[in-house]
Amino acid sequence: EVQLVESGGGLVQPGGSLRLSCVASGFTFSEFAMSWVRQAPGKGLEWVAAVHGGGSSAGYADAVKGRFTVSRDNSKNMLYLQVNSLRAEDTAVYYCAKDSWPRNGVFDAFDIWGQGTMVTVSS
Amino acid sequence: EIVLTQSPGTLSLSPGERATLSCRASQSVSSDYLAWYQQKPGQAPKLLIYGASSRATGIPDRFIGSGSGTDFSLTISRLEPEDFAMYYCHQYGRSPPFSFGQGTKLEIK
Repeated sequence: EVQLVESGGGLVQPGGSLRLSCVASGFTFSEFAMSWVRQAPGKGLEWVAAVHGGGSSAGYADAVKGRFTVSRDNSKNMLYLQVNSLRAEDTAVYYCAKDSWPRNGVFDAFDIWGQGTMVTVSS
Repeated sequence: EIVLTQSPGTLSLSPGERATLSCRASQSVSSDYLAWYQQKPGQAPKLLIYGASSRATGIPDRFIGSGSGTDFSLTISRLEPEDFAMYYCHQYGRSPPFSFGQGTKLEIK
């Protein structure tokens, strides 16, 4: 079964940091680009970051550029999101998501999502 | 960044009726890299349509995606009770950043 499981969320003070993790199973992890998408309470989906299968190329939303870093360890089937300089507006459920096709150079639609991990930024 | 605008914000219909949801992009979406997702409360989104008009695996044929360039639509031909949910469009492709629309809530009338 193809599965994504996130962890690492929690309550953090403004200006703090966290590292979110996502463990993948049931597919050849290194062949697929992976992304992070977040959803603030009661709000819509927001694309956050994505990284190609080899890990060498990544992209970020303007709202998180310079504060968040996406990375992956293909030997461990793990996706990460290092989140620094957190703000109240970063409070959200963070989902990791798998690209639907193993295409080189293209970030694709997401066919598999994790259950999400909640990040709350508050003093 | 391409901005996606969905309309209407809320759509109130009855089971058996036809639903049409719109997604308009601020600039042309290359190669029709446009997807639609369904999300129910407390659940992760579910992929319905990719490439503007291709149904994802296991998605019933009452879900129909269409459009190109800047104007896209999701049509649900005959609403089933389980179709009442939030729907989001999503633009993807070669060059991030990418984006989602703000969503359309499909509710039972």
